[in-house]
Amino acid sequence: ETGVTQTPRHLVMGMTNKKSLKCEQHLGHNAMYWYKQSAKKPLELMFVYNFKEQTENNSVPSRFSPECPNSSHLFLHLHTLQPEDSALYLCASSQDWASGAVKADTQYFGPGTRLTVL
Amino acid sequence: AQKITQTQPGMFVQEKEAVTLDCTYDTSDPSYGLFWYKQPSSGEMIFLIYQGSYDQQNATEGRYSLNFQKARKSANLVISASQLGDSAMYFCAMRERWAGGTSYGKLTFGQGTILTVHP
Repeated sequence: ETGVTQTPRHLVMGMTNKKSLKCEQHLGHNAMYWYKQSAKKPLELMFVYNFKEQTENNSVPSRFSPECPNSSHLFLHLHTLQPEDSALYLCASSQDWASGAVKADTQYFGPGTRLTVL
Repeated sequence: AQKITQTQPGMFVQEKEAVTLDCTYDTSDPSYGLFWYKQPSSGEMIFLIYQGSYDQQNATEGRYSLNFQKARKSANLVISASQLGDSAMYFCAMRERWAGGTSYGKLTFGQGTILTVHP
């Protein structure tokens, strides 16, 4: 499935900049996720939204600020980032994590935004 | 302790041959799901196959099958008739139904295996 889009695909920013990553899903899902993928590390879950409510904040620094205005859109606002924040940021969506059926929780990912912080 | 272990950093296979990518997992939750994803160099994570802990049969999806051995806690991915386009990073992931008392859709990923298909 290619129903999750992310913009921009590449982003270079300085440590004092403010930027936002955008994710949109066209799958009719109710849950959306942000992941961080750094070199030589497993994917790390950052945030989870279910029915627009944030249900997980995996100890993410406050310089990352998520926003979920509706079930189809998810943003990640970035400000005063550090060079170690350079990574691939992946957005995903799933039908509903609380449905009771793990398979219904299958997450579909977008293409990612490759972020470089100078 | 790592919840998902993929012991093969890299694998090579000849085109049209089958290849097995290893994955072992660790959980005390009786209800869980195992997922395999493919990540080409473009970065997108592509869902391949799912196996539920209560499923009696091994999952299959086209050329992908999952060799699920519950007692050994392994969920190896088998790709039959490899194609050049199969060259990518492959991730095994687990979703526990109740992870530490919560169920927030958290997928735990392994480190991944880079598969290279030779012509």
